Amino acid sequence: QTVVTQEPSLTVSPGGTVTLTCASSTGAVTSGYYPNWFQQKPGQAPRALIYSISNKHSWTPARFSGSLLGGKAALTLSGVQPEDEADYYCLLYYGGAHPWVFGGGTKLTVL
Amino acid sequence: QVQLVESGGGVVQPGRSLRLSCAASGFTFSSYAMHWVRQAPGKGLEWVAVISYDGSNKHYADSVRGRFTISTDNSKNTLYLQMNSLGTEDTAVYYCAREPGGAIDYWGQGTLVTVSS
Repeated sequence: QTVVTQEPSLTVSPGGTVTLTCASSTGAVTSGYYPNWFQQKPGQAPRALIYSISNKHSWTPARFSGSLLGGKAALTLSGVQPEDEADYYCLLYYGGAHPWVFGGGTKLTVL
Repeated sequence: QVQLVESGGGVVQPGRSLRLSCAASGFTFSSYAMHWVRQAPGKGLEWVAVISYDGSNKHYADSVRGRFTISTDNSKNTLYLQMNSLGTEDTAVYYCAREPGGAIDYWGQGTLVTVSS
């Protein structure tokens, strides 16, 4: 059973920088896992932020960036805004019969 | 603009069936893979199923394989999820989402399925 692990919770001050990570139980995350990142606010559907490690959607704010960091996928928020308080989920592609797996999510608090 | 609108959710007894629909508009539906993702109350996102753009490939999470069937009707620009033998563990908001190859971009607003006696 493949497990994708994220930090359960993180806290950041307004204007600060925070990095969320996404690890795979199978080993290092690489480009072949096509890491995706999503933001979800209470009562709302998820919103896509990043795909294929670091590519932004047309609506993704510039302060969000994606990368690979120490064998994990990473989402960095620079100049955090109060409206960035949300749950963040990563999604990795494994192919085969179980192609996609979500991480457990990170609850980001802006305080 | 791209729109995905789910419907078909509701309250259903354990062991019964339900079919969800996702009406797509604003893009060429037959050119995209489509996903179902669910979220149990207070829990994280769980990937459920995917169908390729031409319907030739379908994959399921272990938790639903053999009970759920994903399908599309390109003439109606609609994605479906047939859910059989429902259990209380299937209670969740079900989202449909579009995949333009390696990226899930647009999501619907979700439809709530409650399995309860």
